[in-house]
Amino acid sequence: ETGVTQTPRHLVMGMTNKKSLKCEQHLGHNAMYWYKQSAKKPLELMFVYNFKEQTENNSVPSRFSPECPNSSHLFLHLHTLQPEDSALYLCASSQDFRLTAASYEQYFGPGTRLTVT
Amino acid sequence: AQSVTQLDSHVSVSEGTPVLLRCNYSSSYSPSLFWYVQHPNKGLQLLLKYTSAATLVKGINGFEAEFKKSETSFHLTKPSAHMSDAAEYFCVVSDQENQGGKLIFGQGTELSVKP
Repeated sequence: ETGVTQTPRHLVMGMTNKKSLKCEQHLGHNAMYWYKQSAKKPLELMFVYNFKEQTENNSVPSRFSPECPNSSHLFLHLHTLQPEDSALYLCASSQDFRLTAASYEQYFGPGTRLTVT
Repeated sequence: AQSVTQLDSHVSVSEGTPVLLRCNYSSSYSPSLFWYVQHPNKGLQLLLKYTSAATLVKGINGFEAEFKKSETSFHLTKPSAHMSDAAEYFCVVSDQENQGGKLIFGQGTELSVKP
């Protein structure tokens, strides 16, 4: 399998559930990203991992917990979510977060459509 | 701080007619600019990028964009629309004030193509 894959593609969960989103990249990249895409709003960067170290946390609520066990895998653990957390969650990867934009491209997965009931 | 503004939330064209998706940016630095496309139920795909080389940038699927510093614009064009071009398009600037890896996305333009 090539590129960036995400599972599950769709997820419905209650506010008291705990679930995890998984992202895997087969591109040999060292940086991985979680984005949130809500209707009528720009993509919001949530977390960045570079060489397995978290380098960015854009004031994301603690009910979202990322995990990056290696450069190829990224998880987003979810617990006690709110209905406003319903969105498309996109994972992306790139060669190295520290490189300038001139030197890299971010590759995106298809996303997980999350609905919180 | 860097920012991008996509001037149209929705554009509708007929198949075979030209496409113009407008984007203005704000940046204190020499920016890197991108256009990404997102088809329904798919992730974002890079169409093209400007990184201070040629001001006219050619991308995939016949799209191109011109960087105009005097107008702070980076509009996306295509001479002849195809039905498969129907998608959401995002203009993006890199946050070079902080770190190169951070991308700042516009709100998106939905392109509809009528037969």
